Amino acid sequence: AQSVTQLGSHVSVSEGALVLLRCNYSSSVPPYLFWYVQYPNQGLQLLLKYTSAATLVKGINGFEAEFKKSETSFHLTKPSAHMSDAAEYFCAVSGSGGGADGLTFGKGTHLIIQP
Amino acid sequence: NAGVTQTPKFQVLKTGQSMTLQCAQDMNHEYMSWYRQDPGMGLRLIHYSVGAGITDQGEVPNGYNVSRSTTEDFPLRLLSAAPSQTSVYFCASSYSMAGRGYTFGSGTRLTVV
Repeated sequence: AQSVTQLGSHVSVSEGALVLLRCNYSSSVPPYLFWYVQYPNQGLQLLLKYTSAATLVKGINGFEAEFKKSETSFHLTKPSAHMSDAAEYFCAVSGSGGGADGLTFGKGTHLIIQP
Repeated sequence: NAGVTQTPKFQVLKTGQSMTLQCAQDMNHEYMSWYRQDPGMGLRLIHYSVGAGITDQGEVPNGYNVSRSTTEDFPLRLLSAAPSQTSVYFCASSYSMAGRGYTFGSGTRLTVV
């Protein structure tokens, strides 16, 4: 079975500052990892995904994440926060079925951008 | 291309009532799944399907039924609603290629009183 831990239910940064959202996973098989963003009263939108092709993954809206097997981590970063980045962010992992049996999500991190 | 369509967007039920949450996708995705989202809990998998006629239970299946008679549709049935089923429900779909990621619907907000 796999699990995902997101450190910090709320993260607050100033506009223009570095965004760092932490995600650690456990999986008995090589994982596929995802970051999703959810804006208020909306569904989830895929930001980026790791599928073993490259350890540094670039996504939409200037976000990127680095897969570190030794640390079982997949932290999400953005060099300069923008007010429009305020949202809920979820890290997720797929299991041995490669996604056939759905995704396991972390509990989410609410990103707050201070002006 | 509509993506994943969920209906209704909002619903209020009385305890004991039954209802079906509809989910349809027009992307010819083989994989489909249902999640519930509760504050501080993230999203939890209820049921999933790998193709027409094939379904299985996820992490929190009790009180819910599903069927998949076509590739496009994956309805979620609440047999006898309980206040503990008050939640936001999301349907998602994906191609049957590992690591493609899921496309999510916009959700159904259900309140059971």
